[in-house]
Amino acid sequence: QSVLTQPPSTSGAPGQRVTISCSGSNSNIRSNIVNWYQQLPGTAPKLLMYSNNQRPSGVPDRFSGSKSGTSASLAISGLRSEDEADYYCGTWDDSLKEYIFGGGTKLTVL
Amino acid sequence: QVQLQESGPGLVKPSQTLSLTCNVSGGSISRGGYYWTWIRQHPAKGLEWIGNIYYSGNTYYNPSLKSLPTISIDTSKNQFSLELNSVSAADTAVYYCARTRQDILSGKGYFDLWGQGTLVTVSS
Repeated sequence: QSVLTQPPSTSGAPGQRVTISCSGSNSNIRSNIVNWYQQLPGTAPKLLMYSNNQRPSGVPDRFSGSKSGTSASLAISGLRSEDEADYYCGTWDDSLKEYIFGGGTKLTVL
Repeated sequence: QVQLQESGPGLVKPSQTLSLTCNVSGGSISRGGYYWTWIRQHPAKGLEWIGNIYYSGNTYYNPSLKSLPTISIDTSKNQFSLELNSVSAADTAVYYCARTRQDILSGKGYFDLWGQGTLVTVSS
């Protein structure tokens, strides 16, 4: 069971907006930056969001990130079929002294 | 642009040593500010950070791992490596090498480039 909790799955229709949550604690999310990784089917993960809300070059502005207290969220607006993927949050944990990932959320575009 | 590529045996026998190499192309592994990382993903499961190395040779490993890995770096070949001793079926996973921006221990690090991954199966 992951220290960071994500919903196992979520779905939305094309054009809709979905939000994926990542719940942690004082020793991880509250204290450190949160990053998000997108893993398309059969491929390696790719950095989608870093430092809570910063998009790497090439990531559309349909993707946005936020953090508040011990939780973080990834929002995807204008949902497209190519967004169908697994999404992982990740951050450093000051108590465990390791980098931790959430269990991942599978996004299905209906 | 910088690319990472893992290589190594796809099948390892139990109790033996798993050895993988990550070749970095398109940029120097000795460039300051970047750390080099191994991450694995067990079949149909989530991601697990294994450890980091800096070009100076400084390493940091995930203290939760049951067996301590060894990560080394060869700046002359622009590559870094992972060794896991006495492996078991629990070490069967896709292994990714990645580049880390900023020191992961600072709480500000993130993995900005990933290799394609290589599946390692531990089986007799």
